[in-house]
Amino acid sequence: SYELTQPPSLSVSPGQTINITCFGEKMGEKYVCWYQQRPGRSPVLVIYKDTHRPSGISERISGSNSENTATLTISGTQATDEADYYCQVWDSGTVVFGGGTKLTVL
Amino acid sequence: QVQLVQSGAEVRKPGSSVTVSCKVSGGTFGYSGISWVRQAPGQGLEWMGALIPAFDTTTYAEEFQGRLTLSADESTRTAYMELRSLRSGDTAVYYCARDRGAADGFDYWGQGTLVTVSS
Repeated sequence: SYELTQPPSLSVSPGQTINITCFGEKMGEKYVCWYQQRPGRSPVLVIYKDTHRPSGISERISGSNSENTATLTISGTQATDEADYYCQVWDSGTVVFGGGTKLTVL
Repeated sequence: QVQLVQSGAEVRKPGSSVTVSCKVSGGTFGYSGISWVRQAPGQGLEWMGALIPAFDTTTYAEEFQGRLTLSADESTRTAYMELRSLRSGDTAVYYCARDRGAADGFDYWGQGTLVTVSS
């Protein structure tokens, strides 16, 4: 079965830029979505179709996807960005989530 | 404004079944898919399956084949998730989400329903 690999945790200082990676075989041939989940809350779609931001999502959040790695970039990180982030693709008719990355803003 | 409102928390014994509902307001119902995703305590997101009500088509994750049924009532704009033969490992928060397909993702989510399986 298809697998997506994310770093379990990352930390960043306020104001800095952080890249959250998601590795999967031939990732660049699939559309990637990203979700933000704050503690005790439902997930929120922050990136769809690799690079697109839904209405209301901060311009500080961006996405890219190439070859075997998709990347979620958060620039000018704020305390409110502290959350779990999940990548997601469709593969062979089923949905696959990455294991999630816990982002800590120090 | 699209909203998905789920039914309340449930407690079940091992071997029993549970049904969680998801009422959709706003937007179109039927031609968008509804996916179900669960999250065990302290764990990540796990996709269970998807339903497109207008076409009555379902797709299930292999792990849940045979004990999961997704359905919907278009007249009440409500989707349902029934999980049978419950075990302690099914203790989780269960989410419904509007599924816009492979490219566009799950753009609206329910608030989650905690299902606890305990003897």
